[in-house]
Amino acid sequence: AQTVTQSQPEMSVQEAETVTLSCTYDTSESDYYLFWYKQPPSRQMILVIRQEAYKQQNATENRFSVNFQKAAKSFSLKISDSQLGDAAMYFCALLFMNRDDKIIFGKGTRLHILP
Amino acid sequence: GAVVSQHPSWVICKSGTSVKIECRSLDFQATTMFWYRQFPKQSLMLMATSNEGSKATYEQGVEKDKFLINHASLTLSTLTVTSAHPEDSSFYICSAATGGSLYEQYFGPGTRLTVT
Repeated sequence: AQTVTQSQPEMSVQEAETVTLSCTYDTSESDYYLFWYKQPPSRQMILVIRQEAYKQQNATENRFSVNFQKAAKSFSLKISDSQLGDAAMYFCALLFMNRDDKIIFGKGTRLHILP
Repeated sequence: GAVVSQHPSWVICKSGTSVKIECRSLDFQATTMFWYRQFPKQSLMLMATSNEGSKATYEQGVEKDKFLINHASLTLSTLTVTSAHPEDSSFYICSAATGGSLYEQYFGPGTRLTVT
């Protein structure tokens, strides 16, 4: 079975500091995408970053970057220079190419930003 | 671009009645739409996958007759909760995907359903 595991239900970080959210997944497929989504209090799902499994280079989007370890099936999100607006629930997600395209979500990590 | 809307954003209905939730892709054509349910402080649970012009594919454990999904056009999918009960109260989210690259999925803002 395909699973996505986020082992940290909640995390806190001081404003302007760096925080890393963990995610591991289990799959026997070779072609897939990994995502981090942010869900703020408004509950609108926002795509933070995307990683194609065939790419070795880690994706980066401004203050957000990932550490993708394919062999270890690990996909962590690093947020640099944390801002108050980063406070949200973060979901790690997995999507298989050419296979019904359903996204499998982890249970989420609630991130608190301390001023 | 790539905006998905949902209507209504919040609905209260009485037990036993039916309620319809609309999901629209405003600036692109969505060959596939997905419906999710999210309980408080929990993750998104996929309910069904909806393809334009064909029957929806429901996930295991989701009652087809209770959650009716219609994808009548490339920009509109609807979820009807029939004979609603208090346990159906939840947050319902849709997402829409373009045909060319289904990994581009765009989420609607969600609909909060409260059944009294």
